[in-house]
Amino acid sequence: SYVLTQPPSLSVAPGQTARISCGGNNIGRKSVHWYQQMPGQAPVLVVFDNSDRPSGIPERFSGSNSGNTATLTISRVEAGDEADYYCQVCDINCDPVVFGGGTKLTVL
Amino acid sequence: QITLKESGPTLVKPTQSLTLTCTFSGFSLSTTAVAVGWIRQPPGKALEWLALIYWDDDKRYSPSLKNRLTITKDTSGNQVVLTMTNMDPVDTATYFCAHTSLTVMHYWGQGTLVTVSS
Repeated sequence: SYVLTQPPSLSVAPGQTARISCGGNNIGRKSVHWYQQMPGQAPVLVVFDNSDRPSGIPERFSGSNSGNTATLTISRVEAGDEADYYCQVCDINCDPVVFGGGTKLTVL
Repeated sequence: QITLKESGPTLVKPTQSLTLTCTFSGFSLSTTAVAVGWIRQPPGKALEWLALIYWDDDKRYSPSLKNRLTITKDTSGNQVVLTMTNMDPVDTATYFCAHTSLTVMHYWGQGTLVTVSS
């Protein structure tokens, strides 16, 4: 079945830009969604349909998707952005739904 | 305001079945394109999608767990039930339910930790 590959970890200094990748075969043809998960909490949607933001999500969060890689970009990283981030797609007709393995973002 | 809440046993013995209930409000599972899904997360590990049920009672299951899972809905009672058979210690995880619309999981429950142990 479809596989999404994320780097296990990423470290970024405050104020810098974090780019979290999500690789998959022709992922550019799919809608990619991104979730942020703080320790001990439920995931929160931060980007959907590749690049849209739910209401209440800062503009610092953006997404792109092309070819075999989707990317979540967090600009002007803050300490409060430290969390696990997961990408998600639906395979054909959501059969099945697929999550990436997650990326732990550390703010130095 | 959309909310979801998972409920069920916190401790299950190996080989037993697990039944979890997702009780939701703020939306109807009879609305076109709406679905409710279940996702789990073992301690310290990644999210794993389990199952999805659509407004029209169409269902989807994780290929690796398909033989052990059953998802049903009670539209009038605003509940979705997930049953997993033959539980094993590796099934110890926090189980989440989520409102899903057009492949996006916009809203999640707080999750419920289920431990499988004798």
